[in-house]
Amino acid sequence: GAGVSQSPSNKVTEKGKDVELRCDPISGHTALYWYRQSLGQGLEFLIYFQGNSAPDKSGLPSDRFSAERTGGSVSTLTIQRTQQEDSAVYLCASSLLLGEAEQYFGPGTRLTVT
Amino acid sequence: GENVEQHPSTLSVQEGDSAVIKCTYSDSASNYFPWYKQELGKRPQLIIDIRSNVGEKKDQRIAVTLNKTAKHFSLHITETQPEDSAVYFCAASSSGTASKLTFGTGTRLQVTL
Repeated sequence: GAGVSQSPSNKVTEKGKDVELRCDPISGHTALYWYRQSLGQGLEFLIYFQGNSAPDKSGLPSDRFSAERTGGSVSTLTIQRTQQEDSAVYLCASSLLLGEAEQYFGPGTRLTVT
Repeated sequence: GENVEQHPSTLSVQEGDSAVIKCTYSDSASNYFPWYKQELGKRPQLIIDIRSNVGEKKDQRIAVTLNKTAKHFSLHITETQPEDSAVYFCAASSSGTASKLTFGTGTRLQVTL
């Protein structure tokens, strides 16, 4: 079946503008995660959603970052007033269960803030 | 919260040799330890995982060992091949409502001919 998809694949934006990144998880996966990967760096956890539970936002770096998941499926990550340090690849992943389950990653969105 | 440290950051081995990547974790409640491989420009993919009720798991040329007492786990790749060249990430997770994966910083493995 279809894997995790993300859009856009690349986004170039000017400093100060808002951006929205989209993630379509694998159908039936209840857990959805957002990570940030800066060039040559590891995976920085941002936020996860699990079913109808309140999301864990503990990894969001500032209040400019927010995310929502509508209808338990599609998720959008919004970055307001983008800064150059926001430039990175934003990866979405989904899994059947939270925690002890394989996470399937999307191809990522490469965000460049000029 | 959980803290995962991974070493080395880069590793170069000759084709056919073995490669070992080591990780330590801080949260004794962690009980799930996956390893992901990320090839250049591609998404991370799970290659092997281990749960705390076992000490070792093998899958063909790759194996993972876990020492819960010392809170460290390792990835072993034998008979390395050029296609093993990638960045490898370890991670740790505890079960329960607060569980999420905490990743190590990655090891760039280069297998040379």
